[in-house]
Amino acid sequence: DTEVTQTPKHLVMGMTNKKSLKCEQHMGHRAMYWYKQKAKKPPELMFVYSYEKLSINESVPSRFSPECPNSSLLNLHLHALQPEDSALYLCASSQGQTNTEAFFGQGTRLTVV
Amino acid sequence: DAKTTQPTSMDCAEGRAANLPCNHSTISGNEYVYWYRQIHSQGPQYIIHGLKNNETNEMASLIITEDRKSSTLILPHATLRDTAVYYCIVRVLPLNNNNDMRFGAGTRLTVKP
Repeated sequence: DTEVTQTPKHLVMGMTNKKSLKCEQHMGHRAMYWYKQKAKKPPELMFVYSYEKLSINESVPSRFSPECPNSSLLNLHLHALQPEDSALYLCASSQGQTNTEAFFGQGTRLTVV
Repeated sequence: DAKTTQPTSMDCAEGRAANLPCNHSTISGNEYVYWYRQIHSQGPQYIIHGLKNNETNEMASLIITEDRKSSTLILPHATLRDTAVYYCIVRVLPLNNNNDMRFGAGTRLTVKP
């Protein structure tokens, strides 16, 4: 199983809503990543968890709150988002301590209205 | 501060080899060169990586110059399904939980019939 599963695939939320994006992998990977991708731009790193600890936070606004409850799951909690936060949110995982490849999910397409 | 420089776009005829260059003139001795591609609206897909030797797998070949300041990804017989954005990424071996993976602007490859 070399799959990273992201749910939901699409999400529309209002600016006052609270929602969560979910990412799951069962490859035994110990590094997990969140990226934000706007149209026609490259993925932009947001957060990295290594061995369930937050190791990189790219000065992301606090309305985005990551959580790694166990080594297989990664969540991104969303609250009070702005329309400009509308984007494709990608999750990825990699082994963690070796130079192996990262696997990406298909992303959640988020629209903030 | 981008670690890699790639042409914005390239065209290739179907069935011909596609050669995608990447400049990484400030690469350090412990940094690897990775290539990923992203087909429209999908998550990025790993292609190949290397440190200093040339590498080949079922998808592509990676040629790294002797000074390691540039590399070329070669798709030997491009097909229409290879149309995608190709990203060259430089990253350190992720020891000490340093799982940092950032995308540059990438090259949009269009394979034409």
